[in-house]
Amino acid sequence: ELKVEQNPLFLSMQEGKNYTIYCNYSTTSDRLYWYRQDPGKSLESLFVLLSNGAVKQEGRLMASLDTKARLSTLHITAAVHDLSATYFCAVDLSGGSNYKLTFGKGTLLTVNP
Amino acid sequence: NAGVTQTPKFRVLKTGQSMTLLCAQDMNHEYMYWYRQDPGMGLRLIHYSVGEGTTAKGEVPDGYNVSRLKKQNFLLGLESAAPSQTSVYFCASSSTPTGGYGYTFGSGTRLTVV
Repeated sequence: ELKVEQNPLFLSMQEGKNYTIYCNYSTTSDRLYWYRQDPGKSLESLFVLLSNGAVKQEGRLMASLDTKARLSTLHITAAVHDLSATYFCAVDLSGGSNYKLTFGKGTLLTVNP
Repeated sequence: NAGVTQTPKFRVLKTGQSMTLLCAQDMNHEYMYWYRQDPGMGLRLIHYSVGEGTTAKGEVPDGYNVSRLKKQNFLLGLESAAPSQTSVYFCASSSTPTGGYGYTFGSGTRLTVV
């Protein structure tokens, strides 16, 4: 079965702490995407990872991709309240031939003061 | 820059009624997608299009139809709405297959079927 699994699905953390969200996927893919969604809003593109070993950083967020392990991580450094949102990873599980992304179920991140 | 525009933003339907959701993009993107988002389920692909005049089924196509008569528009139709179709619907577009720069999403349509 082609699937994308995120964990944890719920994450409550204190400001200033570090944490990692994991995204595993079931078949070979060399590109992976991270999105952010605020409550009641649309999805905003955060990172596009297009090759094995790719690492992207933006502010307190850093994403990486290990295609051999079929794993991407989204690392949060020194969390702040503004990072509270739902984070989705998405993968093309078709090998690039079917033109569509499969999304994980999302990780609801709550950063508490 | 309008990007991807969805109309309407909210709608309440009675069971059995029909409606069409409109997605319009002004970025000249070839690829367009309709997803539904339900609590705890992430986003699931309903239908997609790889170019004007083409459509294809996604993961959850039953009960929906689509059309892409013009490159900039992608319509999602519900012929006979059911309560199970209560959801938030997102349209997305991309310039390349699966979006080398990611999808651009619309703001969503919140549909309630009673």
